[in-house]
Amino acid sequence: EAGVAQSPRYKIIEKRQSVAFWCNPISGHATLYWYQQILGQGPKLLIQFQNNGVVDDSQLPKDRFSAERLKGVDSTLKIQPAKLEDSAVYLCASETSGTNEQFFGPGTRLTVL
Amino acid sequence: AQSVTQPDIHITVSEGASLELRCNYSYGATPYLFWYVQSPGQGLQLLLKYFSGDTLVQGIKGFEAEFKRSQSSFNLRKPSVHWSDAAEYFCAVGVAGGYQKVTFGIGTKLQVIP
Repeated sequence: EAGVAQSPRYKIIEKRQSVAFWCNPISGHATLYWYQQILGQGPKLLIQFQNNGVVDDSQLPKDRFSAERLKGVDSTLKIQPAKLEDSAVYLCASETSGTNEQFFGPGTRLTVL
Repeated sequence: AQSVTQPDIHITVSEGASLELRCNYSYGATPYLFWYVQSPGQGLQLLLKYFSGDTLVQGIKGFEAEFKRSQSSFNLRKPSVHWSDAAEYFCAVGVAGGYQKVTFGIGTKLQVIP
């Protein structure tokens, strides 16, 4: 079974630029999560999708972050414009609904200069 | 809202020694509890989880954890550590009912010395 795929693995941008991250969950997983993991901290939930609907985006900075999950499969997370404090690893996870077991991708390490 | 405390940011153990990583949670009802491991440059992998029933939970890679309601703890243990166990370990708490919302601790980095 293929795992959660994310791209790119690394990205370096300057502040005020835009960036997008892509996630392909495990086939058949209806629930998809995006987390932000700042160095030295645990992952923080940014947004949770159930199929293509948003379940929880209470911690998503909506003035600069956006996410979509068209057709209930792949998802894209965008930051526009980026700030220095956005430097972090962005993790995508997926879950078969009701199992409470999240499978994580390798993450995208973003550096904002 | 639920929260998780991992009091040890960094732990060093000798290979073959026993290991215990501490985790305390705060939540008003019975929580869902998880331990994840993260190797450098990798995503998180679930080691074990507790939802209900037996308070001693067995996981992968020889790890186990014990839920103690009276102490609000969910400590992770391994009787004999291998060099490959060097990684960062995250305790997490979830909320029962509805869609899962999981809160992670800040993690404990484990170093294994020969």
